[in-house]
Amino acid sequence: SAVISQKPSRDICQRGTSLTIQCQVDSQVTMMFWYRQQPGQSLTLIATANQGSEATYESGFVIDKFPISRPNLTFSTLTVSNMSPEDSSIYLCSVEKPWDPQGGIQYFGAGTRLSVL
Amino acid sequence: QQQVKQSPQSLIVQKGGISIINCAYENTAFDYFPWYQQFPGKGPALLIAIRPDVSEKKEGRFTISFNKSAKQFSLHIMDSQPGDSATYFCAASSLVSGGTSYGKLTFGQGTILTVHP
Repeated sequence: SAVISQKPSRDICQRGTSLTIQCQVDSQVTMMFWYRQQPGQSLTLIATANQGSEATYESGFVIDKFPISRPNLTFSTLTVSNMSPEDSSIYLCSVEKPWDPQGGIQYFGAGTRLSVL
Repeated sequence: QQQVKQSPQSLIVQKGGISIINCAYENTAFDYFPWYQQFPGKGPALLIAIRPDVSEKKEGRFTISFNKSAKQFSLHIMDSQPGDSATYFCAASSLVSGGTSYGKLTFGQGTILTVHP
């Protein structure tokens, strides 16, 4: 398994500001992912963050808006830049543990609940 | 082609009943199909997963049925309990990185399950 800590757990921010979300894992992992979950909706992948390489962004998400850092195998940050009310969502960090006895399993943090006023 | 379609959107079941949630996919490259359970204020947690080399997998009260030719899979919750009340997401992914990781998950829209006592 994996224990994932996300900080902050929630925040209320003003339009035009930026927020950096931290994700800490209790063991080294190669692949980390950042998802967005809008209220009452499903999860949408923002980007994949592998240590030592640039993050790979999904269609509709750009680095200028969601810069990601992955300085080591246990930590990543996602910044939501120049926020607008449309950015109000839950942001979730996940990691994959490859070749567990059950195969590749993705574990999720509890998420960061962001409200933009 | 990357979509995973999930139904129903919401489901109400009496305690002791069977809950059934269905998903369908288009991308034949998908080869890993997990189900996640999410409680309010928490991140999704893996419930059970299946690969297409088997047609059914059972873990306790939870069973996945998989129909490769129809590109459909479903979750059955036997003897449903009030504690099962949560949002359930199906997902799909395919091996990447030379076969060492399942990479990003494509999620269904989610089903809100309510089990009445």
